[in-house]
This record gives sequence, C-alpha cells and structure tokens, in this order.
Amino acid sequence: DQQVKQNSPSLSVQEGRISILNCDYTNSMFDYFLWYKKYPAEGPTFLISISSIKDKNEDGRFTVFLNKSAKHLSLHIVPSQPGDSAVYFCAASASGTYKYIFGTGTRLKVLA
Amino acid sequence: ETGVTQTPRHLVMGMTNKKSLKCEQHLGHNAMYWYKQSAKKPLELMFVYNFKEQTENNSVPSRFSPECPNSSHLFLHLHTLQPEDSALYLCASSLSVGTGSEETQYFGPGTRLLVL
Repeated sequence: DQQVKQNSPSLSVQEGRISILNCDYTNSMFDYFLWYKKYPAEGPTFLISISSIKDKNEDGRFTVFLNKSAKHLSLHIVPSQPGDSAVYFCAASASGTYKYIFGTGTRLKVLA
Repeated sequence: ETGVTQTPRHLVMGMTNKKSLKCEQHLGHNAMYWYKQSAKKPLELMFVYNFKEQTENNSVPSRFSPECPNSSHLFLHLHTLQPEDSALYLCASSLSVGTGSEETQYFGPGTRLLVL
C-alpha cells in the first residue's frame, strides 16, 4: 500500500508560467514533508521541506503548501525555467522515525 | 558539487560475483542510509546507520551486507545477487536521525547496478 502518492507521472509547463506538482498521503502520523529534485544520472537533491505545524513554506521561486485535512501537499514553482526540468519526488516522515516514504515522482518538463 | 559521493557509478556483475559499493560523505553528518530505486517504484530504504551503529534493516535479504567503519564511510557488499536486484542504489546522509530540518537527508549520485 503506497502511503505517498504522486498521481501525475508527468507535467509540461511553458517557461515563465507556474508549475504545480501534487502529492497525497494516507498516514496521518506524517508530520514532516520534503520535495526532492532529480536530474538524470544524479541523486535526488533536497529542494524544500515543511513541518506539519505550518501550511506554507517559501524559498525563492519554490513554495510548498500543506493541507493536513486533505492530506495533500503541493509544490509551486514560479516562474518556471527550463532548468527546472527534472523528476520531482515528495517524501514524508513521522516524528520518532527517520524513515522517509517517497512517492514515485513526477517528471516536469518546462518548455522554452 | 555534492557532499555525498558514490563509487562506482555503474556496475555490471554476474550472479556469482562479489562486489562492493562505496559511499563517502563530506558533510560532517552522523547518519548514513542505503536506498534502492527500482524502475517505476519509489525509493526504498534498506539500511540506516547512526554513529556507525546499524539502526535499521528494512527486511533486506542477506545477500546485501552493509558496513559502516566510521561516520563518513558506508559500504554495501553484494554477493550472489539476482537479476531482480538490478536497480539504482543511492546513499544518503543526514546530521542525525529523526525528523526535522537537522535530519534532512542528502543523497549521492547513486550506483546503477545491473545483475546478469
């Protein structure tokens, strides 16, 4: 049973527009969430995280939103740039554990 | 430049071979992790070491044997693997184990393993 789901395997966005990547989770014990970006032939790179005590965290062009009641988080990239083209993974963990549960990833393509 | 390095980057081995994957972190972290990523599947945690002590073995077959001689180095010894073990093996490190910003895991580039 997949506890973290990224239902969109791919997404294409025009350069300069907003990219919205979604992630759903089922375990209500999760209280720390992260987004990673992965380029081909490289390992995942940490992008941004959010604790369950917040509903929004922003870092430059990247904003993560957390809706605990819906068990949903999203990553907004604005404006999108061609260099943002990569696979994006969301991950979740619960206090008292160090296990990250990853989604299967969404491949973002930003078109110039 | 990533603070976590892995060697080799690619490895092809037969089912009777013995090989080792190496991971080194230059971040001053105390926790290190091995993950497996198979095609179309999420990353799966295999092993966790905290201050050189193994704290997690996520039901991994004994043909995978981890070793952590110090907080900066982590090995994964492989023997008598099966073709279904072909995957991307990723190493990660964090300042400590747990949740929160101090425990954010940073990944190496991975070793792509093919078992014939």
